[in-house]
Amino acid sequence: DQQVKQNSPSLSVQEGRISILNCDYTNSMFDYFLWYKKYPAEGPTFLISISSIKDKNEDGRFTVFLNKSAKHLSLHIVPSQPGDSAVYFCAASMNRDDKIIFGKGTRLHILP
Amino acid sequence: GAVVSQHPSWVICKSGTSVKIECRSLDFQATTMFWYRQFPKQSLMLMATSNEGSKATYEQGVEKDKFLINHASLTLSTLTVTSAHPEDSSFYICSAPPPGHSPLHFGNGTRLTVT
Repeated sequence: DQQVKQNSPSLSVQEGRISILNCDYTNSMFDYFLWYKKYPAEGPTFLISISSIKDKNEDGRFTVFLNKSAKHLSLHIVPSQPGDSAVYFCAASMNRDDKIIFGKGTRLHILP
Repeated sequence: GAVVSQHPSWVICKSGTSVKIECRSLDFQATTMFWYRQFPKQSLMLMATSNEGSKATYEQGVEKDKFLINHASLTLSTLTVTSAHPEDSSFYICSAPPPGHSPLHFGNGTRLTVT
């Protein structure tokens, strides 16, 4: 039973445009949500997080939106750059210090 | 920033042998570390939670006798894949929570190939 779902295995976006990656979760006990970026043969790199008391968190080109009632979050990257091409994992946990559960990832291709 | 180091980065071993993977938190202490594995084009699946000074907590379906975890100190956790088989070939990644409720930091992973 997948608790964190990323239904789009891949996404292609033109350089300079906005990339929107989506994520859904099923466990209402999740309280903390994260996005990680991963290159092949490397560990995930933390990008941005949001706690359930907020509905938006912004850090530079990255913004995460959380809709608790819909159990949905999204990552917006604007403007998209070539170096953003990677696999993005959505993740969730019950609190900041707990284990995190990952989605299957979305491969983002930034087109020149 | 918080750094998690994993060693080796890749290893090839023969069926039936055992392989040890080390995970170190370089600039912080971690009473808990997490071990994940990733199959090609799949998600990162949590295998177990490593607890300093006590037994590891394994996720459902993970054989604790096959994947031995030892958290010997506040900066080191090891995962030993015992009697490895080709189906154990995977990418193993460890992580640790830095102090101050910071997000989990991950090591660079270990690519295990069992021939």
